[in-house]
Formats: sequence, C-alpha cells, structure tokens
Amino acid sequence: DTAVSQTPKYLVTQMGNDKSIKCEQNLGHDTMYWYKQDSKKFLKIMFSYNNKELIINETVPNRFSPKSPDKAHLNLHINSLELGDSAVYFCASSQDGASRQQYFGPGTRLTVT
Amino acid sequence: AQSVSQHNHHVILSEAASLELGCNYSYGGTVNLFWYVQYPGQHLQLLLKYFSGDPLVKGIKGFEAEFIKSKFSFNLRKPSVQWSDTAEYFCAVNVWNQGGKLIFGQGTELSVKP
Repeated sequence: DTAVSQTPKYLVTQMGNDKSIKCEQNLGHDTMYWYKQDSKKFLKIMFSYNNKELIINETVPNRFSPKSPDKAHLNLHINSLELGDSAVYFCASSQDGASRQQYFGPGTRLTVT
Repeated sequence: AQSVSQHNHHVILSEAASLELGCNYSYGGTVNLFWYVQYPGQHLQLLLKYFSGDPLVKGIKGFEAEFIKSKFSFNLRKPSVQWSDTAEYFCAVNVWNQGGKLIFGQGTELSVKP
C-alpha cells in the first residue's frame, strides 16, 4: 500500500544515454511534482503537473521532459545524460495544486558515469 | 525571489540534549510552512506543518515548531533528542498562488551521539 512509488530506485548509466524514471501515486491526488536533490542535499523543484496539465516548469534543461499519462503517473525522461545530472530525484504528490502537504516517494539515485 | 535559510549546516548533540534548528524565509505574503526529515537513505517525511491558527505546532516524535510572523521564522525544537533523531532536517515554504511548489532550505544535518 505504498503511497508514492518510484522506479527504479538506483540508476547507473553512461553520459549521452537516455533514461526514464517512473512515478506512481495511489492517493487519488491531482498534483504531482519532480524535485532534484543534489550532492549537497539541496532540494529544488523541477516540474509539477495538475491533472495531467503542466503547472510548474522551473529553469530545467530541455533535455528533461516530464510526461503525465494520467493523474496517477508522472514520468521523467532525460535525454543525453550529463555528469551533472547525477542526483537523487524525488517524486511527490499533493491533493491539489494549492498549498497542501506533499507526500514524497523514496527517490531515484541517478549516477551518470 | 523567495528563499529559505537554515542557520545551521551541521549540528552535533548528545542524547537528551535540547534541539533548536533555525529557519527563516523571505516572503511577505501568505505562506505555509513545513519541516521535513530525511533519515539516512530514506525519503522525506513530514514532521509538522503550519497553515494557520496557533503559531506553536506540534508534530510527530516530540517535535514542535513556532511560527513568528514578525521575524519570518519557523524554528524547530525538541526538548530531548535521541540517537534515532540523527537525520537531515529541511525547512520548506509553500507560497500561495505558485502552483504548490515547495521552496526548501539547504538542510541541517543532525548527529546525535549515544
């Protein structure tokens, strides 16, 4: 009965490859988010979707493309991976796009070699 | 731009010591405030939150925080820490009408010595 799940948990890949991270929530929430946690543990929002519609698109390279097939899923596709993309990526969801509590997934640790 | 500042990068305490972690934010409008905890190798968990009402909020595991609007602060406290409180603590702010995004502080690593 995991609330927010992500796959894979670990991802090791080489520079230049394309990879995807998947996120699913079973809380019935309308809004989902992607956050990036860098090596200094600083967390920054990347994207958010509300009911499959893109709401927030922070200053993120266009190699990163979120996709929301339905409101329970928000996937993150990354093209042409670079060393600097190495980080932990967290998915989160909230009931709506207002100022509500967000529930976080377990994170995906991406290592680019 | 809104920002969140946590005063301490790394705090080391002995068990039973009292804890206070500072958090200040820069935004003059309505905000919601959160403290999240990240245990080693785990995801973020909500400790407590403030939306409105009593500025002293109580959370899980004996933590509490006080919102002082005039000081733009939301400090986290615990009267007596345990070894199991060793973790990274994040203060976060959610600004109204900005799509729900959380703006995080840089985190404070708490190490509790047994």
